[in-house]
Amino acid sequence: GENVEQHPSTLSVQEGDSAVIKCTYSDSASNYFPWYKQELGKGPQLIIDIRSNVGEKKDQRIAVTLNKTAKHFSLHITETQPEDSAVYFCAASKGDYKLSFGAGTTVTVRA
Amino acid sequence: SQTIHQWPATLVQPVGSPLSLECTVEGTSNPNLYWYRQAAGRGLQLLFYSVGIGQISSEVPQNLSASRPQDRQFILSSKKLLLSDSGFYLCAWSEDRVAGYTFGSGTRLTVV
Repeated sequence: GENVEQHPSTLSVQEGDSAVIKCTYSDSASNYFPWYKQELGKGPQLIIDIRSNVGEKKDQRIAVTLNKTAKHFSLHITETQPEDSAVYFCAASKGDYKLSFGAGTTVTVRA
Repeated sequence: SQTIHQWPATLVQPVGSPLSLECTVEGTSNPNLYWYRQAAGRGLQLLFYSVGIGQISSEVPQNLSASRPQDRQFILSSKKLLLSDSGFYLCAWSEDRVAGYTFGSGTRLTVV
């Protein structure tokens, strides 16, 4: 099956700085890559996604980039704020109804 | 708009007792439904998914089972809970074979 690796496992940034989380996937058939944010005690929420026919997508302070050749994709958060502190998960899908998730990155934004 | 309901929010059960967690989706038809488990500080483990009534796919051999008695209802069950069944259980739905999930708010299960 699809294997998604996510780095780093923890990330601490100063408020206002940028945060970058990177994921790699193994199956070249994967064509959909969502990112989720999970706050403590809650279910994960979809924050942004990208399909394989697009190289970059932005939504206000967050952006995702995809490199199909290298089979990796990244989440970029600019001007981080305390409310960005959470666990972030990347995922990949090859159209078989299932998402394969990375292990998660705990992001802490220091005030 | 579509909403997903999952209950109960928390549950403390003794070892050997049965389990039934319920999930329902509103505002859509024929959703794909999923049950995930998340151990403390860990990632998301897919347990079961269903692409239609009566169709259940099991991803990991478990002390658990799933059923889909109605189009928008997904139930996770166990006849006898083990300590290792403790965790955060999440229901999710999607509308397509290549689509993001919408997760429920989760059930925190503690087996004592």
